[in-house]
Amino acid sequence: SYELTQPLSVSVALGQTARITCGGNNIGSKSVHWYQQTPGQAPVLVIYRDSNRPSGIPERFSGSNSGNTATLTISRAEAGDAADYYCQLWDSSAASVFGTGTEVTVL
Amino acid sequence: EVQLLESGGGLVQPGGSLRLSCAASGFTFSSSGMSWVRQAPGKGLEWVSVISATGGRTYYADSVKGRFTISRDTSKSTLYLQMNSLGAEDTAVYYCARNYGSGSYVAFDTWGQGTLVTVSS
Repeated sequence: SYELTQPLSVSVALGQTARITCGGNNIGSKSVHWYQQTPGQAPVLVIYRDSNRPSGIPERFSGSNSGNTATLTISRAEAGDAADYYCQLWDSSAASVFGTGTEVTVL
Repeated sequence: EVQLLESGGGLVQPGGSLRLSCAASGFTFSSSGMSWVRQAPGKGLEWVSVISATGGRTYYADSVKGRFTISRDTSKSTLYLQMNSLGAEDTAVYYCARNYGSGSYVAFDTWGQGTLVTVSS
């Protein structure tokens, strides 16, 4: 089955840029989505189809996908961005997979 | 407002069964594929199952195939997950989610708050 690898944790200073990677075999050929989850809450979609933001998601959130790595970038990090982030894609139209998750800490 | 509300979770003994429900509102339920995603305590997200808008196509993660059944009732705008032969590894918060997009481009754009399933004797 397809595997997605994310760093366990990423730290970012307030106002700086955080980059969260999602590694997978030829992931650039697939459509990647990103979710933010704060403790005790349901996940929230922050990026869909590699680089698109849903309504209500700040422009500070952006995404890219190429080769074997997809990346979620959080610019001008705010305290409220501290959360777990997960990438997700469909290995086929019949099976989806989530990444291992990354805990983002804002210092 | 688009809303999903899960129910049916609880404590069940190993080998037992449980049926989860997800009541949808604020959108045309019959036009949306739906999915179940779970999260074991302190762990990451795991996709469980998906059903097409018409209910004609269903797919499952290998970990639940043959034990879980996803279904939907359009007249009630409700999604279901029938879970049989439950084991400790099925202990998790179960979320229902609305599919956005189609085929290999589906993202989960709306999530319920989740319902906790605990499998223990």
